[in-house]
Formats: sequence, structure tokens, C-alpha cells
Amino acid sequence: EAGVTQFPSHSVIEKGQTVTLRCDPISGHDNLYWYRRVMGKEIKFLLHFVKESKQDESGMPNNRFLAERTGGTYSTLKVQPAELEDSGVYFCASSLSFRQGDFTGELFFGEGSRLTVL
Amino acid sequence: QKEVEQNSGPLSVPEGAIASLNCTYSDRGSQSFFWYRQYSGKSPELIMSIYSNGDKEDGRFTAQLNKASQYVSLLIRDSQPSDSATYLCAVKAETSYGKLTFGQGTILTVHP
Repeated sequence: EAGVTQFPSHSVIEKGQTVTLRCDPISGHDNLYWYRRVMGKEIKFLLHFVKESKQDESGMPNNRFLAERTGGTYSTLKVQPAELEDSGVYFCASSLSFRQGDFTGELFFGEGSRLTVL
Repeated sequence: QKEVEQNSGPLSVPEGAIASLNCTYSDRGSQSFFWYRQYSGKSPELIMSIYSNGDKEDGRFTAQLNKASQYVSLLIRDSQPSDSATYLCAVKAETSYGKLTFGQGTILTVHP
């Protein structure tokens, strides 16, 4: 069974440019998450989709970040325009459906997309 | 104060020894606690989860939780060089619908 796949694995862009990261979750996983790790810091939550709906986007840093999940399958995270502080590793994760209070915690992570903004 | 704190290490132990990794958290409403292992350049992988006070064992791994002290730990017995990785402590609040708060991670090195 294929795991969570992300691409590109590494993107180098200049400040002010646009980058789109893509995540393909494990087939059948309704829940999809985006996390980010900037250098020297902890992995931080960005947002959570349940199917195509945004369940929680409390971690999105600002309106330069736009996440979509068309049709409840793959997801994209667009950064426009990119700033230097956006550099980091962007992780996507997915999990099975769960009822409130019954979450097992098993998020399946991708290997991340490393973004470098020059 | 960070929400989830871990010693960043590196923690170095000899092969065969017990590695002890610690984590404290600030939100008393936290209900679920997880340890993820991440090899360099790879994805974080869940290795242990614990929800109630006490110990939980799985093979060479034991997770310990003390909610009164807001403390969770991971013990790795008979450490192997293949255990060398970054270990991430993650916490889920009761009200959180799947959002995890991570610590910075502890780098563990097991030397032969």
C-alpha cells in the first residue's frame, strides 16, 4: 500500500515567487493535515481537512498560505508570495476517519517538502 | 514556555543500554500522548501511544505517563544503532480534533 506522498521533495525559489506543494494521502484516509517545521523549531500544525472541508485552519500563519483539497483526495498548499521566513519542511499527514473522542493518534506522515526561499 | 518540551540532546548511549527520553507538557487538558521516531530525511513514524497514567510496554519500548506531573517518557531497552534517530513527543488536547502539538525532538545516538 502506498504511503503519503509529497512533491516536490525540495523547492528553491526567490522571495516573492509562488510555490505549490502537493500531497497525496493514503487511499481511503478522510483526514489530511499539513504541518511545518522551520529550522531549529518544532513541527507545527497548519491545518486539517476532513474530506474536502477545512476542519481546523488555526495554524495557518497568514493569508499568503492557501490550502485546498479538491474532491477530498489530494491536497495542495500554495504560498504566494513567498517570504524568507517561509523556508522549512512542510509535512503532510493523513489518518483514517474517527469519531470525536476515539482518535488513535496514528498520523501517517509523508517525507516532507523542503522549501528554501532565497 | 513551550507547550511541549524535550531535551534536544544529542543523547548518546552505548549499544545494549537503556535510552531514556523525557517530555513535559503545559496543557493540563491534554489527553493523548505519542512518541514518533524520525530518521534523518524521512517521515515521522508513530512508535508508541499512551492515554492513561502508568506504563505501556511494546517490545523494547516502554512509554510512561504521569498526568499529575505533566510528564511523559520513553524508555528504549537494549538500544541498537538502528534506534539512532530523532524522537518526537506529541500531545493531543481533549478538545483537539486530531491536531497534535509536537516537542522539538530529542536526537538519540546509539554507538556500537
